[in-house]
Amino acid sequence: TQLLEQSPQFLSIQEGENLTVYCNSSSVFSSLQWYRQEPGEGPVLLVTVVTGGEVKKLKRLTFQFGDARKDSSLHITAAQPGDTGLYLCAGKRYGNKLVFGAGTILRVKS
Amino acid sequence: DAGITQSPRHKVTETGTPVTLRCHQTENHRYMYWYRQDPGHGLRLIHYSYGVKDTDKGEVSDGYSVSRSKTEDFLLTLESATSSQTSVYFCAISEGPSGNSPLHFGNGTRLTVT
Repeated sequence: TQLLEQSPQFLSIQEGENLTVYCNSSSVFSSLQWYRQEPGEGPVLLVTVVTGGEVKKLKRLTFQFGDARKDSSLHITAAQPGDTGLYLCAGKRYGNKLVFGAGTILRVKS
Repeated sequence: DAGITQSPRHKVTETGTPVTLRCHQTENHRYMYWYRQDPGHGLRLIHYSYGVKDTDKGEVSDGYSVSRSKTEDFLLTLESATSSQTSVYFCAISEGPSGNSPLHFGNGTRLTVT
């Protein structure tokens, strides 16, 4: 059982559509990170959120940390083919190491 | 891009043989990590290092050992490879502890154990 559950596992959409990816847990995290990974490469950090209820924006990507710090979401507006990749959330619990979710594979078709 | 080089990029080996993967960084970061990535499991921590000769186990350390004799190099050894160790292995570095600092990843080593 994953400590961090990501949904959906796979998402295939048309260019221009909006989408939301979820990262959920029953545990409380001191911080949560989102990474994007392209085929043949390592993950690259997109954002770190640390405060309950925090919202961060990165161009067309909006990240939110849940009020109780147990969940997070990534919303992409007007998706583009360049957004295609594997999206991973990773959370740090107090006194523990960073743990990763299984990821969401996003495919944006032109 | 952070200066992280993993070698080899691809390796095929037979069950029971020893295998060593190398991670080299040019960023002088204190922390280094080895992860494995498998479908449905995301990234799982094997071992990590918080300084030269200072290492500790991660969540899936059985069958693996590590060494860090210099700041820039972190070696992962499979003493006797098994088919369950077929995976993609990623090295990562960070300035501070993971979760407090961003992780910078190498491009991975694809290991196949036949």
